[in-house]
Amino acid sequence: GQNIDQPTEMTATEGAIVQINCTYQTSGFNGLFWYQQHAGEAPTFLSYNVLDGLEEKGRFSSFLSRSKGYSYLLLKELQMKDSASYLCAVSPPGGYNKLIFGAGTRLAVHP
Amino acid sequence: SQTIHQWPATLVQPVGSPLSLECTVEGTSNPNLYWYRQAAGRGLQLLFYSVGIGQISSEVPQNLSASRPQDRQFILSSKKLLLSDSGFYLCAWSEWSSSREDIQYFGAGTRLSVL
Repeated sequence: GQNIDQPTEMTATEGAIVQINCTYQTSGFNGLFWYQQHAGEAPTFLSYNVLDGLEEKGRFSSFLSRSKGYSYLLLKELQMKDSASYLCAVSPPGGYNKLIFGAGTRLAVHP
Repeated sequence: SQTIHQWPATLVQPVGSPLSLECTVEGTSNPNLYWYRQAAGRGLQLLFYSVGIGQISSEVPQNLSASRPQDRQFILSSKKLLLSDSGFYLCAWSEWSSSREDIQYFGAGTRLSVL
């Protein structure tokens, strides 16, 4: 089966850097996704890792270690609009691009 | 460019009533389609996915069913709603692939309250 763990809540200050961790235990693994979800809205895609290492996209970066079952999302130069939930999702083997989501980390950015 | 439409945005239904939520995708052919449910403060749970017309796979046993009558149309239904069916329902699509991983794009969602 699959189990995905993320912290429930985090707080950070505007302009700072925050790291949101995600650990997973799966019977197999094809890739890991990060999505952002503002309250009451649909999730939007942020990043995707299939190989070990760091993927950088502007203020957002995501890291993956397959051997450790660990990923993190790094948000730099935090802005108030970054206050949202961040969802970690893994793609299990078997194809068809199915995703298994964690419960999400609710990030609150303060002035 | 591709777009995904989902309606209605909100819905309040009595227990025991039927349900029909619709999702359509534009600008792509033969997409993979997905229905998720998100309970308050929880992660997304995959309910159904479809890789082609008439092909539906269910991920969890439940009071709901799905259908794909056309290539870019995905419908979530119930004959009799339960209180536990309340939640935020999200439709998503991705490029067709039986093995390659690809990004899923979500519709705006339907907030369903069963009273």
